[in-house]
Amino acid sequence: AQKVTQAQTEISVVEKEDVTLDCVYETRDTTYYLFWYKQPPSGELVFLIRRNSFDEQNEISGRYSWNFQKSTSSFNFTITASQVVDSAVYFCALSEGNQAGTALIFGKGTTLSVSS
Amino acid sequence: GAVVSQHPSWVICKSGTSVKIECRSLDFQATTMFWYRQFPKQSLMLMATSNEGSKATYEQGVEKDKFLINHASLTLSTLTVTSAHPEDSSFYICSARKQGVYEQYFGPGTRLTVT
Repeated sequence: AQKVTQAQTEISVVEKEDVTLDCVYETRDTTYYLFWYKQPPSGELVFLIRRNSFDEQNEISGRYSWNFQKSTSSFNFTITASQVVDSAVYFCALSEGNQAGTALIFGKGTTLSVSS
Repeated sequence: GAVVSQHPSWVICKSGTSVKIECRSLDFQATTMFWYRQFPKQSLMLMATSNEGSKATYEQGVEKDKFLINHASLTLSTLTVTSAHPEDSSFYICSARKQGVYEQYFGPGTRLTVT
């Protein structure tokens, strides 16, 4: 069965610290997509990244970077030099099959608190 | 482009009444829309998948007679919570899949409080 595990429920850091949010997934499909979303207190989901199962290349976008490792079924997210505005709940999600538009299976989320 | 709206953004209703939530794709046609529910400090759980012109597919444990979903056009899906009870209080989020494209886009969510 498909599953997404975010073992870290809450993380607290001080501004400028680096922080890594872990995500481990389970799927029987060979074709799947992985996502990260940010949910600020307003509730609206903010899309951060989508990765397909055939692209294991790590990605960097500004202070954000993602490490996808199929060997360990992990898709970890690192924020470098964290800022107070990064405080939010972060969700990792999985979509199975060859279409990224299928329903998402979400992890339980990690609440990140960045203090000044 | 690819904007999804939800209306209302929040609603308070009395127990036993029904409430309708709209999900609209503003600048694209959506053949498929998904409805998720999020209880406080919990994750998003898929409730149902809605395809334009056909009956919605509900996830196990979601009462289809209680959560009525209608996807009457390529830009609008509605979720009606019938005979609402306090335990239905939640954050309801829709997402829409753009026709011909594999991406899906999330609405801003609707916070329902049943008193």
